[in-house]
Amino acid sequence: AQRVTQPEKLLSVFKGAPVELKCNYSYSGSPELFWYVQYSRQRLQLLLRHISRESIKGFTADLNKGETSFHLKKPFAQEEDSAMYYCALSGRNYGGSQGNLIFGKGTKLSVKP
Amino acid sequence: KAGVTQTPRYLIKTRGQQVTLSCSPISGHRSVSWYQQTPGQGLQFLFEYFSETQRNKGNFPGRFSGRQFSNSRSEMNVSTLELGDSALYLCASSWTGSEGYTFGSGTRLTVV
Repeated sequence: AQRVTQPEKLLSVFKGAPVELKCNYSYSGSPELFWYVQYSRQRLQLLLRHISRESIKGFTADLNKGETSFHLKKPFAQEEDSAMYYCALSGRNYGGSQGNLIFGKGTKLSVKP
Repeated sequence: KAGVTQTPRYLIKTRGQQVTLSCSPISGHRSVSWYQQTPGQGLQFLFEYFSETQRNKGNFPGRFSGRQFSNSRSEMNVSTLELGDSALYLCASSWTGSEGYTFGSGTRLTVV
């Protein structure tokens, strides 16, 4: 079964500390993985795609197929990073589209001053 | 450019009624996906439309249906509403579905 697991509901760190949001997935095939973020009172928005291997707002994520993980990392957390973070998997086996995203339950990141 | 627009923002309906939600994607986007978000189940995929055709479907009962028009606008319909259908319904659009999706603000449906 295709599944995305985010083991932490809440992660609290101090400003300037490193942060790692965990994401593990279950998928039979070549996965497409994403991180979406939702700031307070804002829309859900795309943060990272694994395929583009980019760094956005200092965040990076590496796909580890051996450990079936796609953890989100940032070396120095900022207060403005406080938000809800969702890891998502694209079920590309359904016609090649990435429109059927399977989301984890999300991790709420709280960065304290 | 305008983002993904969902109307209405809020709805209150009675059990047994039906409801139609609307989504206007970003101009030029041809793929529209719908999701249900609840505190218990989180974000769950409902269906995806591309060029007026349903391309993917999630694991929801047949009471949930959708369609897409030639201008890519999409509607979803829920018939015979149940209390458990109370949720935030999100729409997202993309050029082809092979890149990241842009989400709307959602329609909050309350069934009483």
